[in-house]
Amino acid sequence: EAQVTQNPRYLITVTGKKLTVTCSQNMNHEYMSWYRQDPGLGLRQIYYSMNVEVTDKGDVPEGYKVSRKEKRNFPLILESPSPNQTSLYFCATRLSGSPTDTQYFGPGTRLTVL
Amino acid sequence: RKEVEQDPGPFNVPEGATVAFNCTYSNSASQSFFWYRQDCRKEPKLLMSVYSSGNEDGRFTAQLNRASQYISLLIRDSKLSDSATYLCVRTDSWGKLQFGAGTQVVVTP
Repeated sequence: EAQVTQNPRYLITVTGKKLTVTCSQNMNHEYMSWYRQDPGLGLRQIYYSMNVEVTDKGDVPEGYKVSRKEKRNFPLILESPSPNQTSLYFCATRLSGSPTDTQYFGPGTRLTVL
Repeated sequence: RKEVEQDPGPFNVPEGATVAFNCTYSNSASQSFFWYRQDCRKEPKLLMSVYSSGNEDGRFTAQLNRASQYISLLIRDSKLSDSATYLCVRTDSWGKLQFGAGTQVVVTP
């Protein structure tokens, strides 16, 4: 079954405690990205990756890091989380960078930073 | 000004009725457009692409008006299961997707 998985699905943490949200896809997609969704603001892209070892900043990259060592995995790292990073996070993948490719989203990770 | 703007709603629609709503975009260089559906903070899922000539998928009709820089979605014969938030999406020439904040539709019995 084609899928995008994220872990954890829910996380409550404290300011400054490093955390990683994993994202994995089994569709052999080249393009992966991370979004955050906040009320009234819609989905905003944090980082994206066109392929292995190729990553680039999205619209709101501050406070986040990513890596793409393997095609299937694209973890999101918060080195020192702050309360303004409390949000709903989605990983997304698509076959390539072409906008006509269907984009698939993971189930989301609800993060609360106290 | 936001790149993609939507009326947040909610649009309260009796079951069986028709509902339509628009989305405006500010960048005339926009390449492609889509409507996504999102249920109660779950992951967004592609509903349909939007083509210049307008396109239909069952009870859903999407239109694009490049001159006035808006796209629209019309839902006919609304079902209870159509209750969701509908996200408008535009892409730029580099393939980057930009999402509107969504329009909430509530279909009532």
